[in-house]
Amino acid sequence: RKEVEQDPGPFNVPEGATVAFNCTYSNSASQSFFWYRQDCRKEPKLLMSVYSSGNEDGRFTAQLNRASQYISLLIRDSKLSDSATYLCVVNSNTGNQFYFGTGTSLTVIP
Amino acid sequence: DTGVSQDPRHKITKRGQNVTFRCDPISEHNRLYWYRQTLGQGPEFLTYFQNEAQLEKSRLLSDRFSAERPKGSFSTLEIQRTEQGDSAMYLCASSHPTGILSYEQYFGPGTRLTVT
Repeated sequence: RKEVEQDPGPFNVPEGATVAFNCTYSNSASQSFFWYRQDCRKEPKLLMSVYSSGNEDGRFTAQLNRASQYISLLIRDSKLSDSATYLCVVNSNTGNQFYFGTGTSLTVIP
Repeated sequence: DTGVSQDPRHKITKRGQNVTFRCDPISEHNRLYWYRQTLGQGPEFLTYFQNEAQLEKSRLLSDRFSAERPKGSFSTLEIQRTEQGDSAMYLCASSHPTGILSYEQYFGPGTRLTVT
């Protein structure tokens, strides 16, 4: 079983829509969780860390459900510039290995 | 530019040759990671350094791969006897020494390797 699993999409949504991505992880000992954004042929960029209490940064909300071992990312009021691949990341029980999902592709359509 | 830098950005080599890539992390970051990414996949963890010590290594990492960080600053990743399956983007990332930020990684632009 893969350490991290994501729905690859693609998600094609109109501007202004709300879209949600989920990601499941297999290691119950994982302690750190992140969402990264990756544009085509570019390096991943940190979007936000995911805290147990959930966290929000502008139009982006991340949540963690430890019982069900999944993390989610909600994007409200989608912009054209949100078009990218969104990668979820969890760490190993040693803390120093990080597992990336395959990414979920989002295209925001005018 | 004070971000993570990698050199070269592109490398084309023939099968069987050795290649070496360099990564310069953000200056105050003592944690350094190497990843490999192929098309349609997320980055795959290869190895982790804290200062000059290599503390984690993926069990998937072939013995043809070796990484060093001799003075705890820049790092090199060498692939010996390259194979076509080694063709990928090799990404380096670094993170802050301590605290809650220590797991937030910042990536360099990557080195794209093509083995012919």
